[in-house]
Amino acid sequence: EAGVAQSPRYKIIEKRQSVAFWCNPISGHATLYWYQQILGQGPKLLIQFQNNGVVDDSQLPKDRFSAERLKGVDSTLKIQPAKLEDSAVYLCASSQAGTGYNEQFFGPGTRLTVL
Amino acid sequence: AQSVTQPDIHITVSEGASLELRCNYSYGATPYLFWYVQSPGQGLQLLLKYFSGDTLVQGIKGFEAEFKRSQSSFNLRKPSVHWSDAAEYFCAVGAGNFNKFYFGSGTKLNVKP
Repeated sequence: EAGVAQSPRYKIIEKRQSVAFWCNPISGHATLYWYQQILGQGPKLLIQFQNNGVVDDSQLPKDRFSAERLKGVDSTLKIQPAKLEDSAVYLCASSQAGTGYNEQFFGPGTRLTVL
Repeated sequence: AQSVTQPDIHITVSEGASLELRCNYSYGATPYLFWYVQSPGQGLQLLLKYFSGDTLVQGIKGFEAEFKRSQSSFNLRKPSVHWSDAAEYFCAVGAGNFNKFYFGSGTKLNVKP
């Protein structure tokens, strides 16, 4: 079974530029998550999709971050314009839908450096 | 509010020694608890999970964890650490609706030869 795919793996940009990350979840997983992991911290949920609908985006800085999951499969997270404090690893995860709590499967992440 | 505390930022143990990583959570209802491991440059891999039942759960790579409701803890243990266990370990609690996870800040494990 293929895992969660993310690209690019690394990205270096200057502040005020824009950047986009792509995620392809495990086939059949209805739920997709984007996390931000700042160095020395645990992952923080930015946005969660169930199929192509948003179920939680309470911690997404909506003035600069946006995400979409068209057709309920792969997803794109965008930052525009980037700030220095956006330097972090952006993790995508997916899980099966259903009752209770299901294991989240994580991709390798995209390491973003904002100069 | 839900939260997870991992009080140890760094731990160093000798290869072959036993290991215990601490995790305390705050959640009003019955928690769903997880331990993940993250190797450098990698995503998170699930080690084990607790949903209900036996409070001692076994995971992959020889790890186990014990849920203690009275102490709001879910500590991770391994009887004999291998050099390949060097990584960062994250405790998480599933809370609320829609499979939302809250992660601790992680414990980085170093293994001395």
